[in-house]
Amino acid sequence: AQKVTQAQTEISVVEKEDVTLDCVYETRDTTYYLFWYKQPPSGELVFLIRRNSFDEQNEISGRYSWNFQKSTSSFNFTITASQVVDSAVYFCALAFTGGGNKLTFGTGTQLKVEL
Amino acid sequence: GAGVSQSPRYKVAKRGQDVALRCDPISGHVSLFWYQQALGQGPEFLTYFQNEAQLDKSGLPSDRFFAERPEGSVSTLKIQRTQQEDSAVYLCASSSHGQGRIYGYTFGSGTRLTVV
Repeated sequence: AQKVTQAQTEISVVEKEDVTLDCVYETRDTTYYLFWYKQPPSGELVFLIRRNSFDEQNEISGRYSWNFQKSTSSFNFTITASQVVDSAVYFCALAFTGGGNKLTFGTGTQLKVEL
Repeated sequence: GAGVSQSPRYKVAKRGQDVALRCDPISGHVSLFWYQQALGQGPEFLTYFQNEAQLDKSGLPSDRFFAERPEGSVSTLKIQRTQQEDSAVYLCASSSHGQGRIYGYTFGSGTRLTVV
């Protein structure tokens, strides 16, 4: 069975603070893919990153960075120098090729960035 | 189109009414997914199409839910005899890759269904 846990329901930070969103996953498959999506108030899910299970190299994209650790089944997301526009719900998700490509999502973390 | 288009954006239905939700995926995208997102929750898988074939409908919560994609492009999710627990946002996603190849998925803005 696949499961994604995002233990942080809501996080509030002041602009320019760094913030890390946690994601822990469970799967019995050796080949799987992890995703992060951003859901602003408008509702659409915006793709941020896809990482496969064989690539544990951390990734940085501008103010965003991701830390993938298979040993702890975690795929955490850090926003550096947060901005008000980062306010949204962030979802971590898992997919595997034997599962028909469908995504299993966590319950999401609401990030509020205030001035 | 440039993105995944869903209509209507909002739908209010009286309990017992039938509704039809439309998804227009990115042109040429092979895979199409429907997800249901209850308030404060993550999206949950409903069904998957590869072209016109419905390969997975394991997430449909009851036989009141039915989806089709007859020509391998536009898809319709139909809910018969709506109940209050059907109130949710229904998201559609498409991908240029078929089953077994996982890349990015483009999501629409969703249809917010409220059953009163």
